[in-house]
Amino acid sequence: DADVTQTPRNRITKTGKRIMLECSQTKGHDRMYWYRQDPGLGLRLIYYSFDVKDINKGEISDGYSVSRQAQAKFSLSLESAIPNQTALYFCATAGLAGANVLTFGAGSRLTVL
Amino acid sequence: AQTVTQSQPEMSVQEAETVTLSCTYDTSESDYYLFWYKQPPSRQMILVIRQEAYKQQNATENRFSVNFQKAAKSFSLKISDSQLGDAAMYFCAYRSLVEYGNKLVFGAGTILRVKS
Repeated sequence: DADVTQTPRNRITKTGKRIMLECSQTKGHDRMYWYRQDPGLGLRLIYYSFDVKDINKGEISDGYSVSRQAQAKFSLSLESAIPNQTALYFCATAGLAGANVLTFGAGSRLTVL
Repeated sequence: AQTVTQSQPEMSVQEAETVTLSCTYDTSESDYYLFWYKQPPSRQMILVIRQEAYKQQNATENRFSVNFQKAAKSFSLKISDSQLGDAAMYFCAYRSLVEYGNKLVFGAGTILRVKS
């Protein structure tokens, strides 16, 4: 099994629908992140969390919310999806030691029609 | 805020040849980490190499090496003996050692095509 698991892998939805992307990890890492990838823009940080009581906004948090249900689970929600939220979403985790190298999930491709 | 610039949207290299991908960054900090990530068609983000800014020696990992020029704020990736499996999107990333969050700031990416 993958260290960082994202579900769903792919999702097509309609404007105005509520969508949740889920992330779970088996690495025992405290730090979890949600990034969004768009062509020509690279990856941009949406939210990050250092524990269940610590949630922080990234550079593009508008239109998104997150929940850290447990140390191992970090979900991203789009309350009312819009077409410009069509993107590839990545969950990542990091430990406390060393360079805090991020371990990424396989990504969730979301298409909002 | 820090920024990372990858000025080459696409690069091509012949199999077995060497290619260099460019990355520049802007920061006022003296200590930080720099990374190169590879994203093949599978979408998985794979760490290629990392560099600590306080280390003058350039990092190497097998066929991958970097040219870290701290004063110029440049961090290029050299791939030697290119292989078909090197074809991917490559992202340069910066991580502050000062800012809360240990967040990565990514460049826009460079698509590398490898010709057989």
